[in-house]
Amino acid sequence: KQEVTQIPAALSVPEGENLVLNCSFTDSAIYNLQWFRQDPGKGLTSLLLIQSSQREQTSGRLNASLDKSSGRSTLYIAASQPGDSATYLCAADPSNDYKLSFGAGTTVTVRA
Amino acid sequence: DADVTQTPRNRITKTGKRIMLECSQTKGHDRMYWYRQDPGLGLRLIYYSFDVKDINKGEISDGYSVSRQAQAKFSLSLESAIPNQTALYFCATSDFPGTGSTDTQYFGPGTRLTVL
Repeated sequence: KQEVTQIPAALSVPEGENLVLNCSFTDSAIYNLQWFRQDPGKGLTSLLLIQSSQREQTSGRLNASLDKSSGRSTLYIAASQPGDSATYLCAADPSNDYKLSFGAGTTVTVRA
Repeated sequence: DADVTQTPRNRITKTGKRIMLECSQTKGHDRMYWYRQDPGLGLRLIYYSFDVKDINKGEISDGYSVSRQAQAKFSLSLESAIPNQTALYFCATSDFPGTGSTDTQYFGPGTRLTVL
């Protein structure tokens, strides 16, 4: 059974600081690894998806890396803004059938 | 309008009551999912459906049932609600893998259910 862990559970940073969010998974045989953002009352929004054959994906200020051999993914958010305050979840897809295994998330607060 | 809608958004009920949570989508996806989220545990899959006639149990299906009334509608029922079913429930949809879509899931806004 795939176990996905995100540490820390919460962090607070001043505006402008770069954010580094960590995700680890126990089974390296994944199809893809996704990062989602969760805002209160608005559900989850997909940020980045990294296929198993890829090492990283980038979108604007966001960059996600994937190291299957070590069972780790990292989400980098450059020059954080108060609008980046949210909970960030990673999810591993073990077999391309979308039965995603989610981490518990990291709640980020960016202080103005 | 939102692509994935859930009703109700909030519900308080009592132990033993039957509850139905509804999900509708306008994305035209065949695949639909129900998750629950508990503090500190992330999202866990309850049921998923790959088309109207294909419904499957997820990780934590005990105490729940589902109905896929149409491609666009997927309902979750709690036949006899109990307090440990208090959680945030999400519906999600996805396309088939490799169709050229973003290969991700699209989530509704969630239903907060409290069972007293």
